[in-house]
Amino acid sequence: NAGVTQTPKFQVLKTGQSMTLQCAQDMNHNSMYWYRQDPGMGLRLIYYSASEGTTDKGEVPNGYNVSRLNKREFSLRLESAAPSQTSVYFCASREGTGNNQPQHFGDGTRLSIL
Amino acid sequence: SQQGEEDPQALSIQEGENATMNCSYKTSINNLQWYRQNSGRGLVHLILIRSNEREKHSGRLRVTLDTSKKSSSLLITASRAADTASYFCATVVWYSSASKIIFGSGTRLSIRP
Repeated sequence: NAGVTQTPKFQVLKTGQSMTLQCAQDMNHNSMYWYRQDPGMGLRLIYYSASEGTTDKGEVPNGYNVSRLNKREFSLRLESAAPSQTSVYFCASREGTGNNQPQHFGDGTRLSIL
Repeated sequence: SQQGEEDPQALSIQEGENATMNCSYKTSINNLQWYRQNSGRGLVHLILIRSNEREKHSGRLRVTLDTSKKSSSLLITASRAADTASYFCATVVWYSSASKIIFGSGTRLSIRP
């Protein structure tokens, strides 16, 4: 049981390049989330998908797009990378959107934009 | 702005001592959760306390919740080197059509051998 798997683990991009971060979960969870983690800022929600076929913006969606490919997979795309998007990106999933359900996290993608 | 704010931002204690971390939040909540993050890893859920609970235990963890003060504390007793990590509180908020978990900025805990 792998839980939440993120690929790649590390990536370096040049400004203006595009990239898709992949996330897959094998727990049959309905909800999936993308966060970015910056020093001193905690985790900030970029986009989420409450269920297959739906996506919604979080706190910091600008510069990103997402696709809920199927129930297992939720990808995050940077169309034109900027240095301000240098961060560690975490994908998470929850069984549903009920109040008392914890999130399960992947180990992150460390992204540097030069 | 962050829903939850942890205090202190960093804490260094001797192995065997107790570690206390605090969290303050801004809005009404259904529950509050604590997570741990080891260096280079994702967050791991530790414990959840509901808004109608005042205290909860899980092994060496003790969580308290004071909804009147909008604050919570996490106590780790008899600390071990393996407890070295960052600890985050998180609250559930409703955002558009679904509830989501919003995280604070975390407390970095270091356990000295």
